[in-house]
Amino acid sequence: AQSVSQHNHHVILSEAASLELGCNYSYGGTVNLFWYVQYPGQHLQLLLKYFSGDPLVKGIKGFEAEFIKSKFSFNLRKPSVQWSDTAEYFCAVKRASKIIFGSGTRLSIRP
Amino acid sequence: DGGITQSPKYLFRKEGQNVTLSCEQNLNHDAMYWYRQDPGQGLRLIYYSQIVNDFQKGDIAEGYSVSREKKESFPLTVTSAQKNPTAFYLCASTLTGQQSYNEQFFGPGTRLTVL
Repeated sequence: AQSVSQHNHHVILSEAASLELGCNYSYGGTVNLFWYVQYPGQHLQLLLKYFSGDPLVKGIKGFEAEFIKSKFSFNLRKPSVQWSDTAEYFCAVKRASKIIFGSGTRLSIRP
Repeated sequence: DGGITQSPKYLFRKEGQNVTLSCEQNLNHDAMYWYRQDPGQGLRLIYYSQIVNDFQKGDIAEGYSVSREKKESFPLTVTSAQKNPTAFYLCASTLTGQQSYNEQFFGPGTRLTVL
């Protein structure tokens, strides 16, 4: 079945640690890729998106993601996390008119 | 301010009752979506609509119904046939066509609890 996989369900890091959250998808052909973030008590909001061009995309708050087509992956990275990055992160794939989300990764940052 | 509104924020329902969740957007977006968010399962697509008077089932449409009589409105009815309706429901919208790579914008959500 077509799907979006986020293998890390809960990640716990200390402040200033580097972050990488995995995202793999199983769709072939052209896709648009997104990372969304949901801070506690807030709306889902877009972190970054990829639709064409440079496979390394930069988003808000120092986040970036790399699209590796051969690996069907779109991993999210941040070189140095802050306590305020505590949130749930969702990878999403747009294929035709549907947008399919991964199960999410909860990120907890120790002060 | 442009955006998506969902009402009510919290909703309680007795078993066996139908309930309708409201979603309105003033972004002039063509497409609208309903998702259900459960812990550890992410967002699952219930229904979506690309244009007025047309909608398609998502991955978990059973026990739900929708209508799209106006561009700005996409109400979701949770029927008594939905076996596990307690969840957080999110509405989203997006442009289509040449702007199809644009992201979805989300509402604040409605938390439904069945008593």
